[in-house]
Amino acid sequence: EIVLTQSPATLSLSPGERATLSCRASQSVSSYLAWYQQKPGQAPRLLIYDASNRATGIPARFSGSGSGTDFTLTISSLDPEDFAVYFCQQRRSWPITFGQGARLEIK
Amino acid sequence: EVQLVESGGGLVQPGGSLRLSCAASGFTFTSYAMSWVRQAPGKGLEWVSAISGSGGSTFYADSVRGRFTISRDKSTGTLFLQMNSLRPEDTAIYYCARGTGDYFSSSGFPFSDYWGQGTLVTVSS
Repeated sequence: EIVLTQSPATLSLSPGERATLSCRASQSVSSYLAWYQQKPGQAPRLLIYDASNRATGIPARFSGSGSGTDFTLTISSLDPEDFAVYFCQQRRSWPITFGQGARLEIK
Repeated sequence: EVQLVESGGGLVQPGGSLRLSCAASGFTFTSYAMSWVRQAPGKGLEWVSAISGSGGSTFYADSVRGRFTISRDKSTGTLFLQMNSLRPEDTAIYYCARGTGDYFSSSGFPFSDYWGQGTLVTVSS
């Protein structure tokens, strides 16, 4: 099973600042990695798929990069609505696995 | 508009059974793979099971294999999850999710672009 480790667990920033979240895989997942955003009481929302492709309707301030074992989600300038929990997910091999989540909170 | 509406959750005793349903609309149901993902209270996401557009390929997490069965009915556009021999650790919100396309062995199982609102399953005596 591929283990995804996200860091930091919690990131405290202010609106307008740049956010960088990391996801590291225990073995290569090639580019088969996605990022999701989840707000309290809501279902997850797909942000980025296959490492760097923005999903439909996702603002350009969200970007993804990386391949192999190291991946990054960057939010270029935080909007108040971006404070949420973020999960990475791999589909390179069964079972599909998620990272443990990273909380982005307002400083 | 794509819509996924789960139902069938509730309180069940350990060892009991439940059948979750997910009514899909707004897209060609048989053209998309579907998944069930769960989230225990205050915890992260755990993939549970997945099925190809035709229903011919199914996949399970080790934690549920042999107890849960995923299926789909193309005539009604409904995804199901039959859950037997339920355990307290199965307590979670269960989400159904649509893949970005269908499953092909050459390209792997797709990520999920639409999710339902979830249905809560509580396993407790």
